[in-house]
Amino acid sequence: QSVLTQPPSASGTPGQRVTISCSGSSSDIGGNTVHWYQQIPGTAPKLLMNSHNQRPTGVPDRFSGSKSGTSASLAISGLQSEDEADYYCATWDDRLKNWVFGGGTKLTVL
Amino acid sequence: ELQLVESGGVLVQPGGSLRLSCAASGFTFSTYWMNWVRQAPGKGLEWVANINEDGSETYYVDSVKGRFTVSRDNAHNSLHLQMNDLGAGDTAMYYCARSGSRTGWFSSWGQGTLVTVSS
Repeated sequence: QSVLTQPPSASGTPGQRVTISCSGSSSDIGGNTVHWYQQIPGTAPKLLMNSHNQRPTGVPDRFSGSKSGTSASLAISGLQSEDEADYYCATWDDRLKNWVFGGGTKLTVL
Repeated sequence: ELQLVESGGVLVQPGGSLRLSCAASGFTFSTYWMNWVRQAPGKGLEWVANINEDGSETYYVDSVKGRFTVSRDNAHNSLHLQMNDLGAGDTAMYYCARSGSRTGWFSSWGQGTLVTVSS
């Protein structure tokens, strides 16, 4: 069971806006920055959004992140078929003294 | 071009040992924290361990403490993971990833090396 809680699945039609949540506690999200990773099945994960809500080169501005208290969320606007992937949130846990990931959300573009 | 290339993953028997390596190129290796992250088949990501720039500071997930050791060789731009007393729960794709600090995001990832623990 993951320390951070994400919905196992999400879906939307092309052009829609989808939000993926990530819930934690005061020792992880509450006290640290949250990053988001995208993983297309069969490939390595890649950074999608860092803690400063910055996107690496090549990541479209349709992706945005936010954090409030012990929760964070990733929003994808103008959904496209190429966005179909698994999405993971991650943060450092001060109590465990290690990184923790969410269980991942499989995004399906209908 | 920045590259992280893992190697060393094989089929190993329960209780066995294995040493994974990650060869880095295209950036100043000695100025980055390095991490190992694994993914069991069909499962999510699990951070395993990390090491600071000069190798003097390391952190591990509880499930591998006492069994795994992360190390680095800055002279050869390489990261290693010594894995002992392996069990079925260690079966996974192992990725190396760099970060700017202990709590910095994983900015680049390798393609992974597969470790299978089975008799």
